Amino acid sequence: AQSVSQHNHHVILSEAASLELGCNYSYGGTVNLFWYVQYPGQHLQLLLKYFSGDPLVKGIKGFEAEFIKSKFSFNLRKPSVQWSDTAEYFCAVTNNAGNNRKLIWGLGTSLAVNP
Amino acid sequence: ETGVTQSPTHLIKTRGQQVTLRCSSQSGHNTVSWYQQALGQGPQFIFQYYREEENGRGNFPPRFSGLQFPNYSSELNVNALELDDSALYLCASSLGGGGSQETQYFGPGTRLLVL
Repeated sequence: AQSVSQHNHHVILSEAASLELGCNYSYGGTVNLFWYVQYPGQHLQLLLKYFSGDPLVKGIKGFEAEFIKSKFSFNLRKPSVQWSDTAEYFCAVTNNAGNNRKLIWGLGTSLAVNP
Repeated sequence: ETGVTQSPTHLIKTRGQQVTLRCSSQSGHNTVSWYQQALGQGPQFIFQYYREEENGRGNFPPRFSGLQFPNYSSELNVNALELDDSALYLCASSLGGGGSQETQYFGPGTRLLVL
């Protein structure tokens, strides 16, 4: 069955540090990849997504992610984090097989940025 | 915010009871997906509705059922509540029938506690 792994469950950084959150998925076919973020007290919202084309995807608030097909990975990066990036980050995947409707989610990574 | 609203925000029920959760989709969206998010977990797909028909279902028992109305709002019903049903229930709306590349817009969730 398709699954998503996020390697870091809790990350603590200081402002201006660089961020990389790992995401790996298990599915051999064509996938669509998403990163969602949930800021404290707010709804889940889309950060960025990848369907095809340039494997380096840029999202909102300075985030980017790189799709590496050979590694089944879609890691999220930001060169310099801010206190306002404190949030829960979720990686999610769908595939194009058949009539699939499901977003398969990772467990999430809780990021705390110290000012 | 996304324009997706859910009610109630919090709910306490006892085992064996039934519960109905409600979701109003973002204006213009015709597809609603429901997710269950247990504490410390990523969301799990329950089912999706498109134009008032169930359009995909995850691994949830039949006591989880739903409806979508002509205005595309939706209900999630859970019968014979169990302790493990305690979770945050998320509703997400999208436009286009729930294709695998659609961005979903999430509501704030309903937190259900079963005692």
